[in-house]
Amino acid sequence: DSGVTQTPKHLITATGQRVTLRCSPRSGDLSVYWYQQSLDQGLQFLIQYYNGEERAKGNILERFSAQQFPDLHSELNLSSLELGDSALYFCASSATSRNEQFFGPGTRLTVL
Amino acid sequence: AQSVTQLDSHVSVSEGTPVLLRCNYSSSYSPSLFWYVQHPNKGLQLLLKYTSAATLVKGINGFEAEFKKSETSFHLTKPSAHMSDAAEYFCVVSEGLLSGTYKYIFGTGTRLKVLA
Repeated sequence: DSGVTQTPKHLITATGQRVTLRCSPRSGDLSVYWYQQSLDQGLQFLIQYYNGEERAKGNILERFSAQQFPDLHSELNLSSLELGDSALYFCASSATSRNEQFFGPGTRLTVL
Repeated sequence: AQSVTQLDSHVSVSEGTPVLLRCNYSSSYSPSLFWYVQHPNKGLQLLLKYTSAATLVKGINGFEAEFKKSETSFHLTKPSAHMSDAAEYFCVVSEGLLSGTYKYIFGTGTRLKVLA
C-alpha cells in the first residue's frame, strides 16, 4: 500500500458526460501528479500540482482540468467525454518534485 | 529532452532463472532513474531508484540495477525469477523543467512472463 488513495476505483459513463476523479496524497506529500494509461498511448503525464499551485503540464487536453485543495487532496475533472478517454487514471504524490513518486491504485474510466 | 528506451516489450523466463530487463536512457546530465513494477489492475510500485550515489542499486524483492554512464544503460536484474515477478516493468527518467520542477518520462514497459 503506497499511502495514496484514489476514488472511485471504477467509473462507467457515457460520451459527452463529465466526471471527477479524486486523489489523496501520502501524508506530508505536497506534490500531486496525474497520469493517463491507455493501451495505445502508454503512460502519459497530465499535470502536476505542488502545494495548491500548478507546476507542470503534460499532454492534458483542454477538456480536462485539475486542482489541488488546501488539504492537499486533488481532483481531476474530465468533461465532454469521448470514447478515447477510456483509460486508467493514476494519481501519484511525492514530498517534493525531486523525490520519487508513489502511485495510487488508479481509477478505471470506461466511456460508452 | 530526456528519454528512455526499453529494449524488449516482452521477456519470458523460467522460474528460478535470472531476469534481465534492459533500459537505455538519453540525458544531457546526470539523471535520476527509477524502475517501477505494475501487477495486473494495480498501481505502480517503486522497485528502486538511482540518484547519483552508488552505481549498483539494490531494490525490493531481490531486484537490482546498475547505472552505466558509458553505455547510458540502467538494466534491471534479478538472480532467480519467482512466479510472483510476472508483471509489467517500467523504466523512468526524471527530467528537470524550466519551471524548476521535475517530471517523469516513462519507457514503454516490458512485460515479464515467468514460466513454471
